[in-house]
Amino acid sequence: GAGVSQSPSNKVTEKGKDVELRCDPISGHTALYWYRQSLGQGLEFLIYFQGNSAPDKSGLPSDRFSAERTGGSVSTLTIQRTQQEDSAVYLCASSLSTNTGELFFGEGSRLTVL
Amino acid sequence: QKEVEQDPGPLSVPEGAIVSLNCTYSNSAFQYFMWYRQYSRKGPELLMYTYSSGNKEDGRFTAQVDKSSKYISLFIRDSQPSDSATYLCAMTISGNTPLVFGKGTRLSVIA
Repeated sequence: GAGVSQSPSNKVTEKGKDVELRCDPISGHTALYWYRQSLGQGLEFLIYFQGNSAPDKSGLPSDRFSAERTGGSVSTLTIQRTQQEDSAVYLCASSLSTNTGELFFGEGSRLTVL
Repeated sequence: QKEVEQDPGPLSVPEGAIVSLNCTYSNSAFQYFMWYRQYSRKGPELLMYTYSSGNKEDGRFTAQVDKSSKYISLFIRDSQPSDSATYLCAMTISGNTPLVFGKGTRLSVIA
């Protein structure tokens, strides 16, 4: 389909392991966002990419979290040395740079850290 | 105080009822206000979008923004079981700043 694609849809890992989550945005969308959704906590902003500009990393909770966006398209969110509190649904969204507020979300990657 | 406050519910109403969902916020610089709907195990989808103060209507849905009170609302008329979902308010200062979301209100419409 033409929507935002995320993989894996589910990931179970052991505490201390590294994980990578992938996002493939809608073709032509220059803005890409990562949010985290924990039970009862709403959507927490993590990082924002806009075109070739430096990413806004102000929402990353610790230096264990990092993200990159290659070629202005696919993005990977990496969590190193996972902790149990990292368990959440990680949502990726993309938008046209000229739109304000209309984010198109993927279905998320559900991460469980045992 | 969180930037955006939203009652998480749950809210349960009979089919055909009028539903009122609300958010308050603290940052007077917010200019763009949105409501997203999220079905279980799905990503949020944009439902309504409003710039600055005023009302916007789309079918059974009406969004209201009162910037003087820092208060936004979503009204759903003639609610249907298919409206059962979590409704998230969101807002931002400009197109170059990320959206700030409320925690979401879980709504159940009972047939």
